[in-house]
Amino acid sequence: QKEVEQNSGPLSVPEGAIASLNCTYSDRGSQSFFWYRQYSGKSPELIMSIYSNGDKEDGRFTAQLNKASQYVSLLIRDSQPSDSATYLCAPDIGGAQKLVFGQGTRLTINP
Amino acid sequence: GAGVSQSPRYKVAKRGQDVALRCDPISGHVSLFWYQQALGQGPEFLTYFQNEAQLDKSGLPSDRFFAERPEGSVSTLKIQRTQQEDSAVYLCASSPGGGQPQHFGDGTRLSIL
Repeated sequence: QKEVEQNSGPLSVPEGAIASLNCTYSDRGSQSFFWYRQYSGKSPELIMSIYSNGDKEDGRFTAQLNKASQYVSLLIRDSQPSDSATYLCAPDIGGAQKLVFGQGTRLTINP
Repeated sequence: GAGVSQSPRYKVAKRGQDVALRCDPISGHVSLFWYQQALGQGPEFLTYFQNEAQLDKSGLPSDRFFAERPEGSVSTLKIQRTQQEDSAVYLCASSPGGGQPQHFGDGTRLSIL
């Protein structure tokens, strides 16, 4: 089993709809969870961080964490073409600061 | 500076040459990380510093890879006797520590011919 698994892409969503990105992780000791957005040829950009179970909302983005299920998700409401990118899920490793990244989910928002 | 700065942005080297990649973290960030990203994959952890101390180097692929941060600020990742499989984007990130988010530089794209 991979340490971090993300829903396979590419994922295509019409403009204005909700995009749902999912991630499962294997390390029960993980304490911090991050979602990064990466445009082609660019470096990862932090979108959301979440540390406790439940939902965390920031503008059009909502992160959801369920530590018992080892599951974290990212919802993007009112999707825009500028949201088209690869989204990377990154929990820390065993509560340490280093991150382990999933392979990423490529999201395309269709106008 | 305002963000993490990496140089050079692009580096082309012949197999067998040594290369040095530089990272200047966000001012005041105690933690500094190096990652390697292959095309189409997520970044993979290489090594981590807290101030000048290298706390984890478990991700370095071989003893040809060496990183340092002598004064707790700028860091250099050195690769000796480069091989074609070293071709990748090398990303540097910094954070204030304590589980706070990491912020990435633009990366160095390394190509080994």
